Amino acid sequence: EAGVAQSPRYKIIEKRQSVAFWCNPISGHATLYWYQQILGQGPKLLIQFQNNGVVDDSQLPKDRFSAERLKGVDSTLKIQPAKLEDSAVYLCASSLDWSGFTSYNEQFFGPGTRLTVL
Amino acid sequence: AQSVTQLGSHVSVSEGALVLLRCNYSSSVPPYLFWYVQYPNQGLQLLLKYTSAATLVKGINGFEAEFKKSETSFHLTKPSAHMSDAAEYFCAVMGSYNTDKLIFGTGTRLQVFP
Repeated sequence: EAGVAQSPRYKIIEKRQSVAFWCNPISGHATLYWYQQILGQGPKLLIQFQNNGVVDDSQLPKDRFSAERLKGVDSTLKIQPAKLEDSAVYLCASSLDWSGFTSYNEQFFGPGTRLTVL
Repeated sequence: AQSVTQLGSHVSVSEGALVLLRCNYSSSVPPYLFWYVQYPNQGLQLLLKYTSAATLVKGINGFEAEFKKSETSFHLTKPSAHMSDAAEYFCAVMGSYNTDKLIFGTGTRLQVFP
């Protein structure tokens, strides 16, 4: 089965510009996650979707970041305007369903988009 | 709040030597714990997970980890390192009830020398 697809793989922009990343999850996966991985740190969850609804966006900087998953399948993460500290790898992941805490559904990660803000 | 601490940002071993990557967790509820591996320019791949069943968990590529509640640890081991094990390894804890947010440690880069 095809994995999580992300594009572009690399992006270089100047500060104050806008950028968008795209993610296509594994077919049939209801839950989609966007993580930010800054160099030297572990990934940090930005937003979690269940179908086309938001489950958790508590760590999303909403003044500049936005994300959508309109049809409950693929998703777009946007940064507008970008800052130097947004330089990171943006990872998308998907899982079959939302686990809660009664069971666990493995999160499958895409290859990421490496963003460099100059 | 849940958190994980990975001791040692870099670990170097010789090929064939024991691999030991350390992870300690903090959790107010019985945790789910995970080890992920990340190869250069790739996403994260699940190595193994602890979800309150057996305390000794076996994963892919010969790795295993033991959940020790008394020590709040979940160290990753492999008896004999291979060159292909060189990668970044992340320990993670599942955040809390009613969420499957993963909280990651800062990672340990494993180097394997011939």
